[in-house]
Amino acid sequence: GAGVSQSPSNKVTEKGKDVELRCDPISGHTALYWYRQSLGQGLEFLIYFQGNSAPDKSGLPSDRFSAERTGGSVSTLTIQRTQQEDSAVYLCASSLGTGFSYEQYFGPGTRLTVT
Amino acid sequence: GNSVTQMEGPVTLSEEAFLTINCTYTATGYPSLFWYVQYPGEGLQLLLKATKADDKGSNKGFEATYRKETTSFHLEKGSVQVSDSAVYFCALRGGTSYGKLTFGQGTILTVHP
Repeated sequence: GAGVSQSPSNKVTEKGKDVELRCDPISGHTALYWYRQSLGQGLEFLIYFQGNSAPDKSGLPSDRFSAERTGGSVSTLTIQRTQQEDSAVYLCASSLGTGFSYEQYFGPGTRLTVT
Repeated sequence: GNSVTQMEGPVTLSEEAFLTINCTYTATGYPSLFWYVQYPGEGLQLLLKATKADDKGSNKGFEATYRKETTSFHLEKGSVQVSDSAVYFCALRGGTSYGKLTFGQGTILTVHP
């Protein structure tokens, strides 16, 4: 079946502009996660959703970052007033649940470059 | 909080050599432990996992044993292939971070023919 998809695959934006990154999880997966992969910080957690609610937003680096999930499916990560340090690959993952036994399946990522 | 310390490398080996990538962790409680692999141009994939002490995860010839006494989850393979060239990430889930994965820094493995 279809895996996790993310769009766009690449995004180049100017400093100060807002960007939206989209994640389509695997159908039926109730949990959705956002991570960021950058050279300086490695792979770091941003936020996760169980259904449409976000029990853990602890990884969002600043209030310029926000995310929402609607209908228990698609999620959008929004970065306002982008900065150069936001340049990274943003990864989305989904799983059947949040229990330890549930595997997280990752999408291909969105590479964000802020110029 | 939770943390994972991983041998960063890069690691360069000849085909059929033995591979070890070290991973140690800090967590409260009883986390689950994972190795993920990222092949060139591809997304992260789960390689293997272990959910309790002394469990051994294995897949594609790779193995790792959950050692609570040494808080380690070292990845091993007896005979690597060129196709194993990738970035390997050790990760944990649980303790104080119920849903999310906490990753190590990643180890780049290059295998030469």
